[in-house]
Amino acid sequence: GNSVTQMEGPVTLSEEAFLTINCTYTATGYPSLFWYVQYPGEGLQLLLKATKADDKGSNKGFEATYRKETTSFHLEKGSVQVSDSAVYFCALVMDSNYQLIWGAGTKLIIKP
Amino acid sequence: GAGVSQSPSNKVTEKGKDVELRCDPISGHTALYWYRQRLGQGLEFLIYFQGNSAPDKSGLPSDRFSAERTGESVSTLTIQRTQQEDSAVYLCASSADRVNEQFFGPGTRLTVL
Repeated sequence: GNSVTQMEGPVTLSEEAFLTINCTYTATGYPSLFWYVQYPGEGLQLLLKATKADDKGSNKGFEATYRKETTSFHLEKGSVQVSDSAVYFCALVMDSNYQLIWGAGTKLIIKP
Repeated sequence: GAGVSQSPSNKVTEKGKDVELRCDPISGHTALYWYRQRLGQGLEFLIYFQGNSAPDKSGLPSDRFSAERTGESVSTLTIQRTQQEDSAVYLCASSADRVNEQFFGPGTRLTVL
């Protein structure tokens, strides 16, 4: 079946460090891929998405590129801030289905 | 406009009691989803409503769980005879249709003692 695997956390970085959170997927077909973020005390919100291979989603300085050859959708940011501390979830949805398949989430802690 | 709202935000109950959780989706959103998020885990799909179509209940973990939605408005998730393993955050999301972005509510944290 379809699944999403993302790196375990917590990931702890200093402010202005480079961030990568790995996400790989298994899917029979061509899914759309998403990163959602959950800030402390807030609800889940969409961070970025990509709907086909080689698409790059970007928002708030974060980027992720849909790599079909490696079935990956790694999240990157060049210089993190304390305010980026949150839990990040990678997810996929198939065009033929509406159910989001979620990774387990990666907690990111940014220290000043 | 208002986002997805859920109530209560926190619910503590005793094992064996019934609980009802409420979700108010974004106005005009035809699709509504319920998820469960256990501590340290990803989201687990429970049920999906799309307009007036029959809901997809394939994710409900047992017959103690049920959900209703009236048209394209409020939904309630009911858990009967709660068990300790039901303790989790229950999230509701809505979207304009099944392939669009899902907007999430803040969740209801359920604790079963």
